[in-house]
Amino acid sequence: EVQVLESGGGLVQPGGSLRLSCAASGFTFSSYAMTWVRQAPGKGLEWVSSISGSGGSTYYADSVKGRFTISRDNSKNTVYLQMNSLRAEDTAVYYCAKSLCTGGVCPLKLYMDVWGKGTTVTVSS
Amino acid sequence: QSVLTQPPSVSAAPGQKVTISCSGSSSNIGNNYVSWYQQLPGTAPKLLMYENNRRPSGIPDRFSGSKSGTSATLGITGLQTGDEADYYCGTWDSSLSAYVFGTGTKVTVL
Repeated sequence: EVQVLESGGGLVQPGGSLRLSCAASGFTFSSYAMTWVRQAPGKGLEWVSSISGSGGSTYYADSVKGRFTISRDNSKNTVYLQMNSLRAEDTAVYYCAKSLCTGGVCPLKLYMDVWGKGTTVTVSS
Repeated sequence: QSVLTQPPSVSAAPGQKVTISCSGSSSNIGNNYVSWYQQLPGTAPKLLMYENNRRPSGIPDRFSGSKSGTSATLGITGLQTGDEADYYCGTWDSSLSAYVFGTGTKVTVL
């Protein structure tokens, strides 16, 4: 069964850092892009970042560019999201998702086909 | 503020049909595939439709997708109580260099 499982969420003070992990199983991890999407309380979905299967290409939303870093370890079937300089507006449930690019055209043909259950990040003093 | 606009809510009686629109522009829907995601209350999103009108395995054919120009539509026929959820469209925006989600639509079964 294809699964992704997030971990690492918690309470952090403004300006602090946190690293989220997403462990994948049930598929050839290195063949797929991975994506982080977040959802603030009571709000809609917001794309955060994506990374190609090799890790050689990364993409970020403007709201996190320069503060967040996505990376992956294909030997551990795990993708990470390093979050620095956290702000109150980063408070959200963070979802990890296995991603595909139609015809291998990333990121233009990107979509997320298997989602984790999410991990909650709260930024507050 | 999302660049993809959806109606905040739609509703219908069990067994009826609803459609959800997703309006964008040439930099997103107009030149890329649209996906749709279903989020049941208190759960993670789930892929419902990809490449405008293709259903992943396990998604019933009561769900359909279409695209015309800079708009996309999700249709649900034979509405069931289990379809009550938030629905989001999504696609890549070439001008923003970002994946964008729609504003979301809450489906209520009356």
